[in-house]
Order: sequence, then structure tokens, then C-alpha cells
Amino acid sequence: QVQLQESGPGLVKPSETLSLTCSVSGGSISEYFWSWIRQPPGKGLEWIAYIHYSGNTNYNPSLKSRVTISMDTSKNQFSLKLSSVTAADTAVYYCARGVLTDMDVWGKGTSVTVSS
Amino acid sequence: QSVLTQPPSVSGAPGQRVTISCTGSRSNIGTGQDVQWYQQFPGTAPKLLIYGDSDRPSGVPDRFSGSKSGTSASLAITGLQAEDEADYYCQSYDSTLSARVFGGGTKLTVL
Repeated sequence: QVQLQESGPGLVKPSETLSLTCSVSGGSISEYFWSWIRQPPGKGLEWIAYIHYSGNTNYNPSLKSRVTISMDTSKNQFSLKLSSVTAADTAVYYCARGVLTDMDVWGKGTSVTVSS
Repeated sequence: QSVLTQPPSVSGAPGQRVTISCTGSRSNIGTGQDVQWYQQFPGTAPKLLIYGDSDRPSGVPDRFSGSKSGTSASLAITGLQAEDEADYYCQSYDSTLSARVFGGGTKLTVL
């Protein structure tokens, strides 16, 4: 049973870079698509980006200029970097596994607050 | 404002049937892009409920069904149960944005 676990700082200062890692256990990262999704407090879901094990990536156009997604197959992990954060980036961040169209396994999420 | 439009809330009594609509456009649902539905309880991660418009992952009760027509999709829940009270999100792919897109979510209340 594949499991995903997000990790990273829960507090980030404005204008700094948010960095999160998703650790995959019970399965190989060398297949499927791997995504980041976020949910601001009391709001809906927003897809951020995905990476395929082939190296193919895709980003939400509204965040593309600030986002980088990458993967480390040796560690069975993939990561998210979001630069120049503001309070609007405060959210629960989820990582997820899926195919091109859907996301079938999700991590429990990690809460990130942007504040000085 | 979400690319996919859902009603903010729906409600129904136990045992009843409810539907949740998801309205898109010719750049997403209308181009035949698959529609997915996710169920989310407060404080927990979303769970894939329907994929490929109408397929259910293993373990999802057949009380949940999905359909699609034109630029819209629907999630139907029959035999409503108290445990179905949750937020529901539709999701597809938008070819103009080149991005996965979600609906704004619908809160289901079981009366």
C-alpha cells in the first residue's frame, strides 16, 4: 500500500522560499505522476504542479513563475519550491500520486503559514 | 473564481438521492477531458471517489456514480447516509490553461 508523507517548515517568512518534500513509501516513484495541491484555510483545492518519472513537468499557469517541482528517485521523494511567498500562500499543502488525469493516493497534508 | 463551477451547497434527507453538478467549458469538460470527483471530510485529505467520468476506485460504494454530458458533469449519491456529509470537488484538465483544474467544491449536508 503506497503512502505519501509531506514534510517541511510550518512557518515561512514573506518573500522567502517555501520548500516541501513528499516521501513515498510502499511503492516506487519511478512510475506515475506526482503532484502538489494546496488548500487555503476555508477554501477549495488548487492544483500546483506535477512531475512524471520521465522528467516531464506541468505547472499551474498562475503559479508557474514561482514554482519548481523536482524528484529524487534515489530517495523516492519529490519536492516543491515556491518562491517569493506572501500571506496568500498560507495553506495546507498536499502531495499526491496519480495518472495523467487523476490523483488516487494523497498524503495527509502539511500546514504552511506565511508570516513574519 | 474556479474554472469548473459547482453549487456551494446541497442537502438531502437520509435515503434520498442528491446530485452535484460541475459546469465547465469547451476547453475542459467539453473537449472530452476526464472528470474526477473527490470527497473530503473536515481536517482530512481528499479521497478519489470517481475517475474517468464514471468509474469507481475499489472500495467506493456503488451509491456514488458519475456522469458527463456536453460541458457538464454530475455526481449522484443514492441512499444518502449521514456519513456522506462532506465536501465534494470535481476536477478535470483544461487544454487552454494546460493545467488540471478543480471546481470550487460543494458542501453536502445530510438533514
